[in-house]
Amino acid sequence: QVQLQESGPGLVQPSESLSLTCVVSGSSIATGHYWGWIRQPPGMGLEWIGSVYHSGNTYSNPSLKSRFTISVDTSRNQFSLKLTSVTAADTALYRCARQYSPNYFDSWGRGILVTVSS
Amino acid sequence: EIVLTQSPATLSLSPGERATLSCRASQSVGTYLAWYQQKLGQAPRLLIYDASNRAPGIPARFSGSGSGTDFTLAISSLEPEDFAVYYCQQRTSWPPRVTFGPGTRVDIK
Repeated sequence: QVQLQESGPGLVQPSESLSLTCVVSGSSIATGHYWGWIRQPPGMGLEWIGSVYHSGNTYSNPSLKSRFTISVDTSRNQFSLKLTSVTAADTALYRCARQYSPNYFDSWGRGILVTVSS
Repeated sequence: EIVLTQSPATLSLSPGERATLSCRASQSVGTYLAWYQQKLGQAPRLLIYDASNRAPGIPARFSGSGSGTDFTLAISSLEPEDFAVYYCQQRTSWPPRVTFGPGTRVDIK
């Protein structure tokens, strides 16, 4: 059974950078699939941030203006998200997920709440 | 960029009733459409993939249909645990993009 666990800071100052990591167990990133990041502001819907393949190929949501960088570390079986110049609008629950086929997300992490505030 | 619209925003029904949720795409997505259920405080749960295929472990009362731009998620007889928010999601191959719909909340009437 695939399990994903997000980690990172829960509080970030405005204008700073945010880095999150997703550790995968029960499935090897190196064997395939895309791996994605999705965020959800409190009380709102789901927003796809971007996805990464085990080769390092990435694609991301164009509406997020390239502030996001997604990378993969197959040796540690994890992938990461970096967001620069955060604002209050980036406050959200951030989840990582396996993007199967790659048409859909079949396994999700529990998520980490990131609050941007001074 | 493809936009997904879900209707209605809220559906108020009683246990045992049939629920019909709609998802419309601004342009054809073929059958690259998935449905998720999300309960408060939980991660989304995959229900349907490729428009009409139930994910492993999903009860038969959930069914998906449609292709192109119009899709439907039906719950034949609502169980108490089915009251939740439902999202549709599409993926395009080129440019590679993923989009979620705004969600439909199914409330107990």
